[in-house]
Amino acid sequence: DAKTTQPPSMDCAEGRAANLPCNHSTISGNEYVYWYRQIHSQGPQYIIHGLKNNETNEMASLIITEDRKSSTLILPHATLRDTAVYYCIVRVGGSNYQLIWGAGTKLIIKP
Amino acid sequence: DTEVTQTPKHLVMGMTNKKSLKCEQHMGHRAMYWYKQKAKKPPELMFVYSYEKLSINESVPSRFSPECPNSSLLNLHLHALQPEDSALYLCASSQVWTMAGGIYTQYFGPGTRLTVL
Repeated sequence: DAKTTQPPSMDCAEGRAANLPCNHSTISGNEYVYWYRQIHSQGPQYIIHGLKNNETNEMASLIITEDRKSSTLILPHATLRDTAVYYCIVRVGGSNYQLIWGAGTKLIIKP
Repeated sequence: DTEVTQTPKHLVMGMTNKKSLKCEQHMGHRAMYWYKQKAKKPPELMFVYSYEKLSINESVPSRFSPECPNSSLLNLHLHALQPEDSALYLCASSQVWTMAGGIYTQYFGPGTRLTVL
C-alpha cells in the first residue's frame, strides 16, 4: 500500500515558486521522506530527502511539518524544464529498506 | 558524478528471442537495482544486488534473469518474454543497500524501453 498521498496534477507559472504537497500521515519515526522527479520517459532523478528538519539544496527545499505527517517540496523559480512527475516517497532507514512510491504529481510549468 | 548508464535505449524483441539489458556505474556503489515501470505508474522493484550478490528477488518470473558480473556492471537477461513485459526497465545504484541507521540515495539510469512483440 502506498504510504504517501499526492495531488495527481498541478500547474505553475514559469518563474514562480512551485509548491508540491505530500501527505504521509502514517509515517514512522525512522522513515525518511524522499522526493524524485521523472521527466517524460527518462529515469527518476533524485531531488532531496529529509527526516524531520527542513532541507535545502541547489534544486529545491523540503519543508516537513512538525508532526511529520506532511511535507512540501518547493522549487523556488520554476522553469519549463521542471515539467515532470514528482514522486514523494517514504523510506525506512537502516536495514532492508525499499522505496515505497506514491502515484506522483504531474507538474506542468506554463510560460 | 552520479551517472548510471544503460544500454540499449530501446529494444524490440519477439517472444522467442533472448536479449540482455546492461547497466553500468562507476561511482563505487556496491548496491544495484532493477526496476520495471509501466506507463503512468511508479517504478516497481524487481531485484537488488548487494556486493555482487542477489539480495532481493521480488517474485519476478524466471524469464527475467539478473546477473552482476562485477561491482560496476549489472545485466538483465531476457528470454521468452510476453507482450505484457513491455515496459521501461530502470537500473539504479546506491553506495550500499543496508546499513543500520544509514540511508543511501538511489541514483537511476535513463532506462531501456522494451517492446515485446
